[in-house]
Amino acid sequence: GAVVSQHPSRVICKSGTSVKIECRSLDFQATTMFWYRQFPKQSLMLMATSNEGSKATYEQGVEKDKFLINHASLTLSTLTVTSAHPEDSSFYICSARDMGVGRTGELFFGEGSRLTVL
Amino acid sequence: AQSVTQPDIHITVSEGASLELRCNYSYGATPYLFWYVQSPGQGLQLLLKYFSGDTLVQGIKGFEAEFKRSQSSFNLRKPSVHWSDAAEYFCAVGAFSSASKIIFGSGTRLSIRP
Repeated sequence: GAVVSQHPSRVICKSGTSVKIECRSLDFQATTMFWYRQFPKQSLMLMATSNEGSKATYEQGVEKDKFLINHASLTLSTLTVTSAHPEDSSFYICSARDMGVGRTGELFFGEGSRLTVL
Repeated sequence: AQSVTQPDIHITVSEGASLELRCNYSYGATPYLFWYVQSPGQGLQLLLKYFSGDTLVQGIKGFEAEFKRSQSSFNLRKPSVHWSDAAEYFCAVGAFSSASKIIFGSGTRLSIRP
């Protein structure tokens, strides 16, 4: 079945640095990918919709300059947390829908990336 | 506005007992409904989904869910739970479109009593 791979799975960084998280659809093309954030013991909050070849669409309250999203190809979207601070520590999950011919539009999730900012 | 409500934050059932997790949704178009499971520190795994056809859908791990349009519900059920079913369960709704956002409920944490 379709697979979405996310890397790195865990990252620890110092406050003020930037961190990049990659999301790849391994066996299907994804014109749209989604980035979610999950706080401990809470649900997934949609941060933004990543669109191949165009700007991402951010949800209300999400800082565009803080969370840079680049969807440079049909199989890769990246989320860069810029000038990270401890409050950015969270579990970030990407997802993509397989809308190929004969597919069911299921949303596949990456394994998630746990970011810890010291 | 679209929304998903999971009224039960935490449920505890005995191993071998039946389970029902509730999900209600609000959606302006034909909904595409999902149930996902998440183990601690892990990503999400799809249990089942519904878009059209038979309103009772079968999923993996012995789970099933029934779509009831009149009640705007998509409850998840399992006849007999196993200790390995302890996890967080999320109901989600979207549209059948690649660009459609999928909105998640707040989740229900399932604990299994030995």
